[in-house]
Amino acid sequence: DAMVIQNPRYQVTQFGKPVTLSCSQTLNHNVMYWYQQKSSQAPKLLFHYYDKDFNNEADTPDNFQSRRPNTSFCFLDIRSPGLGDAAMYLCATNKKDNEQFFGPGTRLTVL
Amino acid sequence: AQKITQTQPGMFVQEKEAVTLDCTYDTSDPSYGLFWYKQPSSGEMIFLIYQGSYDQQNATEGRYSLNFQKARKSANLVISASQLGDSAMYFCAMREKTSYDKVIFGPGTSLSVIP
Repeated sequence: DAMVIQNPRYQVTQFGKPVTLSCSQTLNHNVMYWYQQKSSQAPKLLFHYYDKDFNNEADTPDNFQSRRPNTSFCFLDIRSPGLGDAAMYLCATNKKDNEQFFGPGTRLTVL
Repeated sequence: AQKITQTQPGMFVQEKEAVTLDCTYDTSDPSYGLFWYKQPSSGEMIFLIYQGSYDQQNATEGRYSLNFQKARKSANLVISASQLGDSAMYFCAMREKTSYDKVIFGPGTSLSVIP
């Protein structure tokens, strides 16, 4: 049973056209994370929610926004995607003191 | 500043041999957790093992063990009896309590198991 679900798995967008990636979880975990992972690199934390508290990384571009309307769902909005934003976007969750559970990722292509 | 260092970009190991993947970290938080993840070419992130900063014993999970040396701030992963399916990227990660459970990853080590 899928526990962290990301939709879509593959997303193609045009340069400058807003795009939203979604993540949902069935684990009722209080922490949710968004990572950007480029080829052959480590996942880079963009932001995370601890319950409703939003924690933005200092080097996350303003172009990236996030929403968490409830415990189960979290969205990543890219307001004006550039070619450099093409990457795999990973969503993860964890319960206090436990390991992270990752979704399968959304691969974003920017044309 | 780099909080997690993995000094081995690539490693080779003979099938059935043991291999150690290095990880050092930097934190001033007394309460933290250390993780190892495996990422095969398929892209999924697979949790392997966890070590809490207050755990007295080194963590073990099947063929995986974590050599935790707190004073040296190192958390090396040991894989015993390597298998061909162990070929993948391996990431060390750290969670800091005072950062609202923020989890960051090291640069990774690419492991190749040779038949």
